[in-house]
Amino acid sequence: DADVTQTPRNRITKTGKRIMLECSQTKGHDRMYWYRQDPGLGLRLIYYSFDVKDINKGEISDGYSVSRQAQAKFSLSLESAIPNQTALYFCATSRGGPQYFGPGTRLTVL
Amino acid sequence: AQSVTQPDIHITVSEGASLELRCNYSYGATPYLFWYVQSPGQGLQLLLKYFSGDTLVQGIKGFEAEFKRSQSSFNLRKPSVHWSDAAEYFCAVGGILTGGGNKLTFGTGTQLKVEL
Repeated sequence: DADVTQTPRNRITKTGKRIMLECSQTKGHDRMYWYRQDPGLGLRLIYYSFDVKDINKGEISDGYSVSRQAQAKFSLSLESAIPNQTALYFCATSRGGPQYFGPGTRLTVL
Repeated sequence: AQSVTQPDIHITVSEGASLELRCNYSYGATPYLFWYVQSPGQGLQLLLKYFSGDTLVQGIKGFEAEFKRSQSSFNLRKPSVHWSDAAEYFCAVGGILTGGGNKLTFGTGTQLKVEL
């Protein structure tokens, strides 16, 4: 089984809808991250969490929120999706060194 | 602020040829440096990392990278490329200024095409 899983893997939604992306890990890491990837822009950090009670904004947090339900679970929500949030979203985990990535969620907002 | 520059957006090499992907970084202290690879439809896989010590680091799949502090570079190399190496490659930097490896800044990536 994969160490970092993301659900759903693909999602198409409409403008204004609320959507949640979920991430689970079995690596036992305390730190979790959400990134978005856009062609030509690399990965940009949305939110990160160093433990269940610690949530921090990244460089592009506007329009997003997160919830750390447990050490192993970190969810990303788009309260009211807009087309420019169409992107590939990655969850990652770490213990403070390298980050380990999930397979990604491809989100399309129409 | 920390930053990473990957000056080559696309690179094409012939199978069996050598490869060098460039990465330049900006960081106010000793950096932690990483190379990741992303195959189509996949997540990012860690190829190798540099924290300290020997400036030439070995990674998986026959890749290596050399940290050159004077040039603020961490270039990725492979002596003989295989067709399966076709992918996108990302360089990333973090370090003590940002909680160790807690916060990484990624470059914009280099797309590698391998000609048979």
